[in-house]
Amino acid sequence: SQTIHQWPATLVQPVGSPLSLECTVEGTSNPNLYWYRQAAGRGLQLLFYSVGIGQISSEVPQNLSASRPQDRQFILSSKKLLLSDSGFYLCAWSVPGRNVAFFGQGTRLTVV
Amino acid sequence: AQSVTQLGSHVSVSEGALVLLRCNYSSSVPPYLFWYVQYPNQGLQLLLKYTTGATLVKGINGFEAEFKKSETSFHLTKPSAHMSDAAEYFCAVCDLYNFNKFYFGSGTKLNVKP
Repeated sequence: SQTIHQWPATLVQPVGSPLSLECTVEGTSNPNLYWYRQAAGRGLQLLFYSVGIGQISSEVPQNLSASRPQDRQFILSSKKLLLSDSGFYLCAWSVPGRNVAFFGQGTRLTVV
Repeated sequence: AQSVTQLGSHVSVSEGALVLLRCNYSSSVPPYLFWYVQYPNQGLQLLLKYTTGATLVKGINGFEAEFKKSETSFHLTKPSAHMSDAAEYFCAVCDLYNFNKFYFGSGTKLNVKP
C-alpha cells in the first residue's frame, strides 16, 4: 500500500534561518507531488506541484522553493525564513489521471 | 478556473443534532468534488468524493454529501453529530485536466456541544 511520510512534525526557526522540509512517498511510481500551506485562520493554498523528477511549478510568488531530486521525494526549502512563512505545511501526492489526493501528516512551522 | 466557497467558518451543533456544512463550487468542466477532515495538527483525511454517477455520496463516519449541479453545491451532512466529529472540514475541487491540482475552500470548524 502507498504511504506518505513528512517530517519534521513541528519546527521552530528564527527569522533569517534556512528551511528544509522533506516528503517521501512509498508504494507508487511517478506520482504527482504537491506542497500546500495552511496559514492561521485560512484555508489550504497550493504552493508547488511536480509531475516528474526535476520538474517544479510554482503557484504563488513567495519566499520558498521546492525541489524533486528523486521520483518520490519532494523538498520544500527557503534560504531565509520570514515571519510570514509560519504555518502548517502539507505534502500530498496523487496518481496522474486519478482524482484523489493523499496527504501527509503536516509540519507545523513557527518562525520567531 | 475552479474554486470552492465554504459558507460559515465556524459551525456549532449539539450532540445528536444534524450537521450541515455548506460548499459551493465554480468549475468550467464537470467537477470532481471532495470533502476532507482535519483533526488538530494532523493531515487531511478523505471523507468522501464525487466523480460521476450517483449524486448522493456516502463517506466514512456517517457523513454524506449531495452533488447538485443546478445549485453548484456539494453540502456535507450527518444526521446525528458525535463529539468525535469536532474538527475542521474542507471542501475541494480537483482539476483532473490540470495536473490533479486541488483547490480548497477556506474550511469550516465544527464544534459539537454536549
